[in-house]
Amino acid sequence: DTGVSQNPRHKITKRGQNVTFRCDPISEHNRLYWYRQTLGQGPEFLTYFQNEAQLEKSRLLSDRFSAERPKGSFSTLEIQRTEQGDSAMYLCASSLGTAYNSPLHFGNGTRLTVT
Amino acid sequence: KNEVEQSPQNLTAQEGEFITINCSYSVGISALHWLQQHPGGGIVSLFMLSSGKKKHGRLIATINIQEKHSSLHITASHPRDSAVYICAAEKGLMNAGGTSYGKLTFGQGTILTVHP
Repeated sequence: DTGVSQNPRHKITKRGQNVTFRCDPISEHNRLYWYRQTLGQGPEFLTYFQNEAQLEKSRLLSDRFSAERPKGSFSTLEIQRTEQGDSAMYLCASSLGTAYNSPLHFGNGTRLTVT
Repeated sequence: KNEVEQSPQNLTAQEGEFITINCSYSVGISALHWLQQHPGGGIVSLFMLSSGKKKHGRLIATINIQEKHSSLHITASHPRDSAVYICAAEKGLMNAGGTSYGKLTFGQGTILTVHP
C-alpha cells in the first residue's frame, strides 16, 4: 500500500493559464474523490468517481473545471483559464467499497497559487 | 448555518491535558468521520463511526445520533498531537443510475496546539 499520491505538490501559475493535477489512488480502490480546501476552511467536495464513471459533480465546479478517470485508476483534474480565486489546496481521496461508510485515504494535496 | 459545525475553532493546551473537540451536524448521516491534518496538507483518517464509541490509543471518538453530536477526546495530550482536527458527516446517496456512494460534508476544523 503506497498510499494516495498527488502530483505536483505545488503549482504556481499565472492567471489565464491552464493547469492539470494528477491523483494516483491506492491501487484496488474503486472510489475517488476530489476536494478543494482554502485556508482556514475544511475541504469542499468537488467531484466523485466510481471506477471510471463520474457520478457526481459539485456546483462549485464551473465549466472551467474538468476531471477524468479514464481507466478507473489514476485521475486528472484540469482547470482552464485559471483565476486568482482558484488558489487553494486540491485534495484527492480514495476508498474501497460498493456503497458508503468506507474509510477514506487522502493524498497530500496539490497547492495551487494563481498570480 | 453550516451543515457541520465544530467547536472550538482554536484550542491551546498544555502537555498532559485532556482535550475535547465537538462536532454538531444538521443532516441525516450514515457515518461521522474524524480526520487529522498536519501542516503541509496531508489528511489522515482517525475514526469512522455510526454509533457509540471508538478508541484508538489515546484517542476516543463518541457519537450521539439522536442529538446529532460527536466528540473527539485526546487523553494525556502531547505536542505531537498539534494539528487541525476535522469532522466530516457522510451522507449515503444514490445516483440516477442506482449506485450508492457516500458524500462528505466537512466542518471548518479545530486548530489544536499542545505546548510542552
